[in-house]
Amino acid sequence: GDSVTQMEGPVTLSEEAFLTINCTYTATGYPSLFWYVQYPGEGLQLLLKATKADDKGSNKGFEATYRKETTSFHLEKGSVQVSDSAVYFCALRNYGGSQGNLIFGKGTKLSVKP
Amino acid sequence: NAGVTQTPKFQVLKTGQSMTLQCAQDMNHEYMSWYRQDPGMGLRLIHYSVGAGITDQGEVPNGYNVSRSTTEDFPLRLLSAAPSQTSVYFCASSYGGTGKNTGELFFGEGSRLTVL
Repeated sequence: GDSVTQMEGPVTLSEEAFLTINCTYTATGYPSLFWYVQYPGEGLQLLLKATKADDKGSNKGFEATYRKETTSFHLEKGSVQVSDSAVYFCALRNYGGSQGNLIFGKGTKLSVKP
Repeated sequence: NAGVTQTPKFQVLKTGQSMTLQCAQDMNHEYMSWYRQDPGMGLRLIHYSVGAGITDQGEVPNGYNVSRSTTEDFPLRLLSAAPSQTSVYFCASSYGGTGKNTGELFFGEGSRLTVL
């Protein structure tokens, strides 16, 4: 079945460092890909998304490119801030293979130190 | 603009007790779902619904029941609580089908359940 694998955390960075969180997926057909963010004590909110190959999603300085040839959707940010400390989830939604349910990776906790 | 509303936010139960987690959305979304979040496990789908009167099982449905009598509401029932059901529960909704559906799920703030 469809699945998402993302890098294990936790990840600890200093402020202004470069961030990469790796995400790869397995799916039939052409899923949509998402990054969700969960701040402490809150629910999940959409960070960015891409719906087809070579699309780049971007928001709040974060970017991810849908790479079908490598089945990847890595999250990047050039300069992280303390306020970016959160748990990040990669997810896919595949109306062809998973009844349209959102399938999540296990999450990567990011801590940014001043 | 309430979005997805979950109640209660916190609940403590004893083993064997039953309870219902409430979920309501005001966005006229066809699709609704319940996830549980456990440390190191990410979010796992419990049950979902693609419209009023239609429900189906997700990855971890055992011990939970759902119903969808209206478009707005999707309650999750624990029939006989067990310590293994200690978790944080999230309700989420989205448009269904094509058209308005961008695939994005909208989440509630979560309900933290402890079963002693």
